[in-house]
Amino acid sequence: QKEVEQDPGPLSVPEGAIVSLNCTYSNSAFQYFMWYRQYSRKGPELLMYTYSSGNKEDGRFTAQVDKSSKYISLFIRDSQPSDSATYLCAIKNSGGSNYKLTFGKGTLLTVNP
Amino acid sequence: GAGVSQSPSNKVTEKGKDVELRCDPISGHTALYWYRQSLGQGLEFLIYFQGNSAPDKSGLPSDRFSAERTGGSVSTLTIQRTQQEDSAVYLCASSLAVGLNTEAFFGQGTRLTVV
Repeated sequence: QKEVEQDPGPLSVPEGAIVSLNCTYSNSAFQYFMWYRQYSRKGPELLMYTYSSGNKEDGRFTAQVDKSSKYISLFIRDSQPSDSATYLCAIKNSGGSNYKLTFGKGTLLTVNP
Repeated sequence: GAGVSQSPSNKVTEKGKDVELRCDPISGHTALYWYRQSLGQGLEFLIYFQGNSAPDKSGLPSDRFSAERTGGSVSTLTIQRTQQEDSAVYLCASSLAVGLNTEAFFGQGTRLTVV
């Protein structure tokens, strides 16, 4: 079992839809949770991060973490065609290798106008 | 430059040849990382540099892979005797420091195709 599991999709939604992207993880030492967005032929860019259970909101984006279930989510409200990209969850553990990002495989999202 | 710069953007090489991939991190960033992104495997950690030393090389897949960093800046990832399974996008990232809440900035990658 991989340390971080993410449904690769693809996911196709109409403009304005609410999008839910999810990952599960297996290592309880994972303490820092991030979502990256990667446009085609570009490097990943950090979208949101959180380190506690609960919700964190930033504009149209909400990151949610449930440590008891080892489940993380990213919600996109009022999705736009410009949101079309691959979304990657990434996690860091709190131990000695806290520089290392462990990624999910990414979910390819297409928002259709 | 303002961001992490990688060269070349694309590289096609014949099986068995050696390749060198270059990364110019953001100025002043002491930490540098290499990751590999391949179909079916996602993004995988290869190596971490702090200054010129590499305290963690655990992700390098075989001894055909090596990396160095000089002057606390530019890094080169070398793949010897390339194989078709080496085909992937190689991503470099850098960060100002290390730790849980330190952001790593990624370059756009080098797309390597081994034919």
